[in-house]
Amino acid sequence: DTGVSQDPRHKITKRGQNVTFRCDPISEHNRLYWYRQTLGQGPEFLTYFQNEAQLEKSRLLSDRFSAERPKGSFSTLEIQRTEQGDSAMYLCASSYRGDIYEQYFGPGTRLTVT
Amino acid sequence: AQSVTQPDIHITVSEGASLELRCNYSYGATPYLFWYVQSPGQGLQLLLKYFSGDTLVQGIKGFEAEFKRSQSSFNLRKPSVHWSDAAEYFCFTNFGNEKLTFGTGTRLTIIP
Repeated sequence: DTGVSQDPRHKITKRGQNVTFRCDPISEHNRLYWYRQTLGQGPEFLTYFQNEAQLEKSRLLSDRFSAERPKGSFSTLEIQRTEQGDSAMYLCASSYRGDIYEQYFGPGTRLTVT
Repeated sequence: AQSVTQPDIHITVSEGASLELRCNYSYGATPYLFWYVQSPGQGLQLLLKYFSGDTLVQGIKGFEAEFKRSQSSFNLRKPSVHWSDAAEYFCFTNFGNEKLTFGTGTRLTIIP
């Protein structure tokens, strides 16, 4: 069990560019979550998957955001036409449905939009 | 509306002193309750959780929390803090059907 991993750990991009983040959950976990955390705030829920199905999306997930989990393993979060307000830490977590409420978090991807 | 509140933004405690961090929720039933800790550069780590049953739950690193239904609270405690406990602490709730909400966090500073 290597834990939840995220790549990249840091991303600096210019406003208007597209970015994509990857999350690899713990291997036997079938639920995967994305959160966004801005400075001085708690993480805010964005979306979650059970296997490859995206079951819930927050209102925070605007049309510029899209998440996928094509084979029920790793997931990607893409932000199109980035804005300065997108600067944040993007956290991924996973859980096993047999213990669905205990989530294990990755280290996060810090996005800076200049 | 469902919500979770951590009233204390920042707490400073002397090393060896006791600690209590407050968490209150607003919900018509008992949610699933958790405390997570986030150290600089580290991911969120689960300290403890409450689903049902015994209202005093024990967690890792010597932490415990008590669920009080009458006060809609789930406060985190530690009898004697160590310098390594300095971190950000988050109360987290699952209101059911994956309605997931973090509190705004309490930053803990430890002074020698």
